[in-house]
Amino acid sequence: SQQGEEDPQALSIQEGENATMNCSYKTSINNLQWYRQNSGRGLVHLILIRSNEREKHSGRLRVTLDTSKKSSSLLITASRAADTASYFCATVGNAGKSTFGDGTTLTVKP
Amino acid sequence: NAGVMQNPRHLVRRRGQEARLRCSPMKGHSHVYWYRQLPEEGLKFMVYLQKENIIDESGMPKERFSAEFPKEGPSILRIQQVVRGDSAAYFCASSRAADSGNTIYFGEGSWLTVV
Repeated sequence: SQQGEEDPQALSIQEGENATMNCSYKTSINNLQWYRQNSGRGLVHLILIRSNEREKHSGRLRVTLDTSKKSSSLLITASRAADTASYFCATVGNAGKSTFGDGTTLTVKP
Repeated sequence: NAGVMQNPRHLVRRRGQEARLRCSPMKGHSHVYWYRQLPEEGLKFMVYLQKENIIDESGMPKERFSAEFPKEGPSILRIQQVVRGDSAAYFCASSRAADSGNTIYFGEGSWLTVV
């Protein structure tokens, strides 16, 4: 079964708007991480949230985690054209093995 | 402090040839992971290695694929007798330890095209 399924698959917004992406998973986790990937590039780590945390902030990013619903959300506030990328959540189980979803493709129009 | 280094960035192989992808982890990292990404999809776990040991290869295809992480030198992902379906981006990641609280850092990927 697929862990870390993102929703929506694609999101298009205007610059300055907020973007919210959701991630659902199926089994217990130790932590959950969000990554960003620009086209043709590697993954850039954004935020790690541990299973005992509910919310975490980093600059314009806000991540929430609800372990009872097995879901997480990534909020990007005041989006910029440069935020255009694919965003992935990854659930981390034992031994650091990460399981990724298929990502949300975010397009921010200038 | 260099990040995870992968080479080659792009590799073209004819069907039946061998592909070798290399990964040097970040300094101080002893854990290496390989992932494969097909177009428009997320990353799929392939294998997790420590120095001279394969810890988890549950995502590796049973045939033609192998990985190693020798005592000296980079980790190598080897694909023998490549087929068109092997065309993908292959990402290597490294972490300091197996503790799931450690951030995993990714390289820029190696794009394999099989013609």
